[in-house]
Amino acid sequence: EAQVTQNPRYLITVTGKKLTVTCSQNMNHEYMSWYRQDPGLGLRQIYYSMNVEVTDKGDVPEGYKVSRKEKRNFPLILESPSPNQTSLYFCASSGGQALETQYFGPGTRLLVL
Amino acid sequence: AQSVTQLGSHVSVSEGALVLLRCNYSSSVPPYLFWYVQYPNQGLQLLLKYTSAATLVKGINGFEAEFKKSETSFHLTKPSAHMSDAAEYFCAVSDYGGATNKLIFGTGTLLAVQP
Repeated sequence: EAQVTQNPRYLITVTGKKLTVTCSQNMNHEYMSWYRQDPGLGLRQIYYSMNVEVTDKGDVPEGYKVSRKEKRNFPLILESPSPNQTSLYFCASSGGQALETQYFGPGTRLLVL
Repeated sequence: AQSVTQLGSHVSVSEGALVLLRCNYSSSVPPYLFWYVQYPNQGLQLLLKYTSAATLVKGINGFEAEFKKSETSFHLTKPSAHMSDAAEYFCAVSDYGGATNKLIFGTGTLLAVQP
């Protein structure tokens, strides 16, 4: 089954404690990205990757890091989480063309105390 | 730069009534437009997309949307609402004018269906 998986689904942590949210897709997609969803703001892109070893900032990259060492994986790293990073995070993947459907993971709900 | 505006953060309809969720876009190039649905505690699922092939686009679960260039709109409709349609709906435009291939989302419309 074609899918995007994320782990963990729920996470409570404290300010400053490094964490990683994993994302994996099994569709051999070149393009992957991370979004955060906040009430009243919709989804905003954090980082994206056009292919292995190619990543770039989206609209709200501050406080986040990513890496793309393998085509299927695109982890999101919060080196020093802060309460304003409390949010719902989604990973997405698609083929390389703009008209292609983006497939979303189930989301990771993060609470930073 | 592309953008979308969804009118109405909350819409409530009765079961069996028409569903109309509004989306207006702004784009300097012919847009690619999408509607996604998010059920509680789930990720986003594609309902339908417009890629310039036909102005009336049919999607899953009986939804459809019509692209109207003159009105810069891409409203989502369903003739008869079902309880299972209760969810949050997002309109999005593809930012293919840039190099990012990202989706630019509206702020979402939460649809409630009353029995």
